[in-house]
Parts: sequence; structure tokens; C-alpha cells
Amino acid sequence: GENVEQHPSTLSVQEGDSAVIKCTYSDSASNYFPWYKQELGKGPQLIIDIRSNVGEKKDQRIAVTLNKTAKHFSLHITETQPEDSAVYFCAASISGNQFYFGTGTSLTVIP
Amino acid sequence: GAVVSQHPSRVICKSGTSVKIECRSLDFQATTMFWYRQFPKQSLMLMATSNEGSKATYEQGVEKDKFLINHASLTLSTLTVTSAHPEDSSFYICSAGPVPTGVDGYTFGSGTRLTVV
Repeated sequence: GENVEQHPSTLSVQEGDSAVIKCTYSDSASNYFPWYKQELGKGPQLIIDIRSNVGEKKDQRIAVTLNKTAKHFSLHITETQPEDSAVYFCAASISGNQFYFGTGTSLTVIP
Repeated sequence: GAVVSQHPSRVICKSGTSVKIECRSLDFQATTMFWYRQFPKQSLMLMATSNEGSKATYEQGVEKDKFLINHASLTLSTLTVTSAHPEDSSFYICSAGPVPTGVDGYTFGSGTRLTVV
């Protein structure tokens, strides 16, 4: 089955700096890669996603890149703000039939 | 759009009793709902995949007789934890989809914190 690894597990950045979280996956059949933000005591919220036919996608301060050959994808958050502090999860899926999650990254943005 | 409502948000029950958790897609029809379990500071672990009108598919190691899943309509799935024990205490989260946006997106509910005493 699919194995998704996520690094780092914790990340602290100064407000205004960029944050990068990386994930790798094992199943070359995976073609959908969402990123979720989870705040304490709440369910995960989709913040951005990318499909395997696209190499990069950007939405304001958030961007995701995908390297299918290397089987890794990354989340980039620019101009970080304190409200970006949360746990971020990557996931890999084959057309949404099953989702495999990374182990999560706890991001802290220091004001 | 694409809102998933999960209830209750918190529940405390006595050991040996059963608890039902509801997951509703409010503004779209969800052919598939996933149920996850999340322990503190850990990732989401898929428990089962539920397709409307058919039996749920459980992940290896998940007791289907203990975690009863019903997906009787395109907008509602329920997870019943039967004969709950303290080790069942966890954060349970559902997700429903695919959302009607043209991509393979699934929306998560807000989760249910179950505490068995």
C-alpha cells in the first residue's frame, strides 16, 4: 500500500519568513495530493491540492509543488503569519478512492 | 459550499455503553465517506470507507463489529462505537465526498472527541 512520509515533524519560523514542508510517497499510481491544516480540537481543513498532471499550484501565500519522478511534493507558505500556526498534513490518494496521510508537521509562527 | 457536519463534537460515555456519531454532508451528496481515528499529536488513521448503499470496507485491524458504520443515504453516515472501553477514547473524524468542484476533493467534519470513563 501507499506510504507517505512527512518532514519536518515540527517547524518554527519567524513571522514573515517562509515555511516549507515536504512529503514523499511510494505508490506511483497516486494522482491526487491534498494538504490539510488542522487547528487544535478541530477537523482538518483542505488548504490546497494538486493533481499529478500539474507540477505547481499557487493560491495567494500558499503553493504546492509536485515532482512525480521523485515522488515528492512540498507545501510552501510565504510571509507567514501567527494564524498560520497549526498542524499541517499532506496526503496522497488515487483519485480520491483512499487517502493516506503523512504524520503531520506542527508549525509555529513566532510573532 | 461542501460543508460536512459532524455530531456530537464531544461525548463522554460510560464503559460498556454505545455511542453514535453522525456525519452529514449539508450541501452536496456524498457517495463516499471515510472515518478516521486520531490519537493526540498523531496523524489520521483510516478506519473504514463507506459507500452509500453498500457495506463499509474496514481497514486491517479495525473491528467491524465494534465500529458499526451505516451509510444509508447520500448525505448521512453514522459510526457507532459499541461496548465502548477507555481505550476507544479518541478523536473521530469523518470526511465526505467527492465534493462537486470538479476535483477529487473531500471535506472533513469537525471531529468528535470521545471519552470513555
